[in-house]
Amino acid sequence: NAGVTQTPKFQVLKTGQSMTLQCAQDMNHEYMSWYRQDPGMGLRLIHYSVGAGITDQGEVPNGYNVSRSTTEDFPLRLLSAAPSQTSVYFCASSWDTNTEAFFGQGTRLTVV
Amino acid sequence: RKEVEQDPGPFNVPEGATVAFNCTYSNSASQSFFWYRQDCRKEPKLLMSVYSSGNEDGRFTAQLNRASQYISLLIRDSKLSDSATYLCVVNMGLTGGGNKLTFGTGTQLKVEL
Repeated sequence: NAGVTQTPKFQVLKTGQSMTLQCAQDMNHEYMSWYRQDPGMGLRLIHYSVGAGITDQGEVPNGYNVSRSTTEDFPLRLLSAAPSQTSVYFCASSWDTNTEAFFGQGTRLTVV
Repeated sequence: RKEVEQDPGPFNVPEGATVAFNCTYSNSASQSFFWYRQDCRKEPKLLMSVYSSGNEDGRFTAQLNRASQYISLLIRDSKLSDSATYLCVVNMGLTGGGNKLTFGTGTQLKVEL
């Protein structure tokens, strides 16, 4: 009963490096999203997708790219890491925004 | 003004106490409302949805006041295991269309012996 699987759990990057955070769900949910959580800020929406082939920007999309080639997978790419991207990243999936969102375990990213 | 505002706490209460959390939201067109629980260094998990008529799940009661744009969560007979951060979440429209879940910063609860 996997739910939402997010990898890696921890990552340290040097400024300027790129990487992809992986997210996969096995619940056949159409809606998937990426958030970052910073102290005192709450979770903020980076990008979201309402189905395969459809993605859109959230509140804080700069420096991140996404794609959704399948219903199951929704990777988040950091193009050129900056210290300001040090955060905890959560992937979530749900049927839509009116139903329960299931979260992955999070990725703790540090950019030095 | 933040879109979803919560008192960050912490609320330190003795075991068995009743504690209430409040949340206000800015968008009167918001469609759905939730309380999520987040344990330290873990992912958020749904505690309960909040319905217009109010709803109860065991020791937890949620209320919604659309006129005042206010949501509450009441926890009765607090347990040590209730210690966590409680996130108020509101489904709001995005500027460019579509909807998003907007999270409050959370209220921290510590239940003590």
